[in-house]
Amino acid sequence: SQQGEEDPQALSIQEGENATMNCSYKTSINNLQWYRQNSGRGLVHLILIRSNEREKHSGRLRVTLDTSKKSSSLLITASRAADTASYFCATANAGGTSYGKLTFGQGTILTVHP
Amino acid sequence: NAGVTQTPKFQVLKTGQSMTLQCAQDMNHEYMSWYRQDPGMGLRLIHYSVGAGITDQGEVPNGYNVSRSTTEDFPLRLLSAAPSQTSVYFCASRRMFGSSYNEQFFGPGTRLTVL
Repeated sequence: SQQGEEDPQALSIQEGENATMNCSYKTSINNLQWYRQNSGRGLVHLILIRSNEREKHSGRLRVTLDTSKKSSSLLITASRAADTASYFCATANAGGTSYGKLTFGQGTILTVHP
Repeated sequence: NAGVTQTPKFQVLKTGQSMTLQCAQDMNHEYMSWYRQDPGMGLRLIHYSVGAGITDQGEVPNGYNVSRSTTEDFPLRLLSAAPSQTSVYFCASRRMFGSSYNEQFFGPGTRLTVL
């Protein structure tokens, strides 16, 4: 079963606008990660936020984590056409012998129009 | 560094045929894994390995075998292909230890069609 549920499934915006994607999960996590996948390509790691962190920035990316609500959001500011891709959240479960296995959400398809 | 490489890029099989998807990484990563990606399903973990000689099942292991004889290679074997195994397969690797040990590096994928 999927750990992460992403919302919205698809997002269409104009260049220069901000894009916000949300991810909810079910069990306790060690960290949550966001990946990007361009059409026909493999996934590329964007950013990781640990369970004891609430917000993290990387360039035009801002990630928040609310462990009480078991949710995270990814904000891409000043979007560009090159940001067009699918975005996935992935959770690394806490404890046990999980070895930090990642469980992926279904993804948000972002389209940025020039 | 080549990163994570996968071969072949595309493959068409008939039901009942067997094949091996190859995966190799040159980053000396301890952890390697195989995922399948289906429309609307995200990525699902098939098998993973935490080091040479150690493998374990993921979420959807049925119909697939793996082995890990070296740190670099982690092949995925389809024993008797079924149409339900039509999918895009991704291999990934990462370090097991260190501050960034959870960042996974993905290969470009193998698109498999089973007729």
